[in-house]
Amino acid sequence: AQTVTQSQPEMSVQEAETVTLSCTYDTSESDYYLFWYKQPPSRQMILVIRQEAYKQQNATENRFSVNFQKAAKSFSLKISDSQLGDAAMYFCAYRSANRDDKIIFGKGTRLHILP
Amino acid sequence: KAGVTQTPRYLIKTRGQQVTLSCSPISGHRSVSWYQQTPGQGLQFLFEYFSETQRNKGNFPGRFSGRQFSNSRSEMNVSTLELGDSALYLCASSLGLQGARKNIQYFGAGTRLSVL
Repeated sequence: AQTVTQSQPEMSVQEAETVTLSCTYDTSESDYYLFWYKQPPSRQMILVIRQEAYKQQNATENRFSVNFQKAAKSFSLKISDSQLGDAAMYFCAYRSANRDDKIIFGKGTRLHILP
Repeated sequence: KAGVTQTPRYLIKTRGQQVTLSCSPISGHRSVSWYQQTPGQGLQFLFEYFSETQRNKGNFPGRFSGRQFSNSRSEMNVSTLELGDSALYLCASSLGLQGARKNIQYFGAGTRLSVL
C-alpha cells in the first residue's frame, strides 16, 4: 500500500524568506502523481502544484517549486518570498496514474508566516 | 464556472442519529470522491463514485454509504452516528477518466459535522 509521510508537523518562516516543506512517500508503482495541497483556515483545499512521476523536470508555479527525487521517493515543496497569505496547512499527496481518483494524503505541515 | 459545492457547511447531530451530506461537482465532472478529515487521523478516503457507480471504497464501516445521481451530484450518508464521526467531510470532483493525465481533483469547502 502507498504511504505519504510529512515529518514536520509545524514550521515557521519570516515573511519574504524561503521555506522548504518535506515529504517522502512509498510506492511500488512507477507511474503516479504527486501533489501539494494548501488548506487555509477557510478549509478549502487548494491545489498548489502537481508533479507527474514520469517527468524528470521539477514542477514550478510562480513562487512555488518542488524538488522531486524519484529514486529517493522524496517530494519537497519550496516556497520563495513567503507571504502572509501562505499561512496554511500544507498536505503532500499521492495518486496512482493507472487507477481511480483515490488520493493518499500525508498528515500535513502547518506553516506560520512571521511578519 | 462554479466550483465544488458542499451543503450544509455545518451540522450538529446527536449520537444514534443519521445524517446526509451533499456535494455538487463542477459542471462536466463525472467523478466525486469523499474524504474524512480529523485531527488524529488526518485525511482519509471514504469512497469514489463515477457515473453513478461506486468505483473505489476506503476502509470505513458500513454505516458510511454514498450514492451518485445522473447529474453527478453525490450524497454521503452516515447512519447511527458515533462521537468519533465528528469531522470535516470533504468532497472532490474530477473528470474521472481513469489514467487521464488531466484528471485533477478540485475540492469543496467541506461540511463540518459535530456529533454530541
